[in-house]
Amino acid sequence: AQKVTQAQTEISVVEKEDVTLDCVYETRDTTYYLFWYKQPPSGELVFLIRRNSFDEQNEISGRYSWNFQKSTSSFNFTITASQVVDSAVYFCALSELTNTGNQFYFGTGTSLTVIP
Amino acid sequence: DGGITQSPKYLFRKEGQNVTLSCEQNLNHDAMYWYRQDPGQGLRLIYYSQIVNDFQKGDIAEGYSVSREKKESFPLTVTSAQKNPTAFYLCASRDRAALHFGNGTRLTVT
Repeated sequence: AQKVTQAQTEISVVEKEDVTLDCVYETRDTTYYLFWYKQPPSGELVFLIRRNSFDEQNEISGRYSWNFQKSTSSFNFTITASQVVDSAVYFCALSELTNTGNQFYFGTGTSLTVIP
Repeated sequence: DGGITQSPKYLFRKEGQNVTLSCEQNLNHDAMYWYRQDPGQGLRLIYYSQIVNDFQKGDIAEGYSVSREKKESFPLTVTSAQKNPTAFYLCASRDRAALHFGNGTRLTVT
């Protein structure tokens, strides 16, 4: 079973629109971490945010905001007033601690295109 | 600057040849990871290493091998046993917060 589901494969928005990328996760652990990464066309995955399972406070960083809801096992990412530079593939990830170390599980990514 | 260096960026090989992808980090991280990325499939874990001289198989280790003789280096060998090696390969190291990735190596086998 997929531990991290990003149901939106591709999204296109017009510049300055707001866009929300959905992420649903599955875990039986009480302690875990959630992440968002951005992959621009150059290929490198850029770390955006980490959230631990005990902190459900929403976070805002400039035009980016994240909504973590344990009740629905979701960790959604909103970009406000999107810009062309936001065009990329965005990955949501879950980290669990196992007896062989930290395991990371990635969703299949959402490709965002911002149209000028 | 601290970071993770993967080389080369593009690699071409003939079928049946082994090829080694380089991954070096100067972040003093203990843990390192190799992922494979195929279109529409996200990232799949090949191997990871929590400490020098130790490594574990990931979800798709068949046809790959690794070594971890130094903290800074975690090379990945794609062997001729890997049935479909053409892909984008990403190396990462982990600090207390997150995985940090290199720029990737795009391997094409013909």
